[in-house]
Amino acid sequence: DQQVKQNSPSLSVQEGRISILNCDYTNSMFDYFLWYKKYPAEGPTFLISISSIKDKNEDGRFTVFLNKSAKHLSLHIVPSQPGDSAVYFCAASPDNAGNNRKLIWGLGTSLAVNP
Amino acid sequence: EAGVVQSPRYKIIEKKQPVAFWCNPISGHNTLYWYRQNLGQGPELLIRYENEEAVDDSQLPKDRFSAERLKGVDSTLKIQPAELGDSAVYLCASSLVRVGEQFFGPGTRLTVL
Repeated sequence: DQQVKQNSPSLSVQEGRISILNCDYTNSMFDYFLWYKKYPAEGPTFLISISSIKDKNEDGRFTVFLNKSAKHLSLHIVPSQPGDSAVYFCAASPDNAGNNRKLIWGLGTSLAVNP
Repeated sequence: EAGVVQSPRYKIIEKKQPVAFWCNPISGHNTLYWYRQNLGQGPELLIRYENEEAVDDSQLPKDRFSAERLKGVDSTLKIQPAELGDSAVYLCASSLVRVGEQFFGPGTRLTVL
């Protein structure tokens, strides 16, 4: 049973527009969430995280929104660039205080940003 | 700062053969993880070390998989004997204790024929 769900396997966006990647979770004990980006033949790279005490975290072009009541989070990339084309993984942790030693991963969403 | 180093990057073996993967984490990172990632899936944790202690190996198929981190620095993951279903990318990651993000190596792509 998938506890972290990324229901869109792929997304295509025009350069300069907004990319919105969605993630849903089922376990109410999750209280720390992370987004990772993965290029082919490389390991995942940490992008941005959010604790359950917040509903928004922003870092440059990347913003993560958390809706705890809906058990939903989303990653917004504005503006999207061709170099953002990668697979994006949502991950969640049942530990608190940012102690993400055990991560539960989604299946990933492949983002293509077209020039 | 050097990242997580893994070797080999690629390995092709026949079923029933043994195989080993090596990982050197980022200097100073106490926590080391081995993951397996199948195509179209997210990483699946196999084992987590805090220094030299394996604190979570519940997902490690212990009949054929073994791992060690003898001096609390680098680590080796072994499969013996390998099966066709073991074909995957094996990822190593490390993190500082009590810090959020995990840093991943490039992975070893294993193909079992």
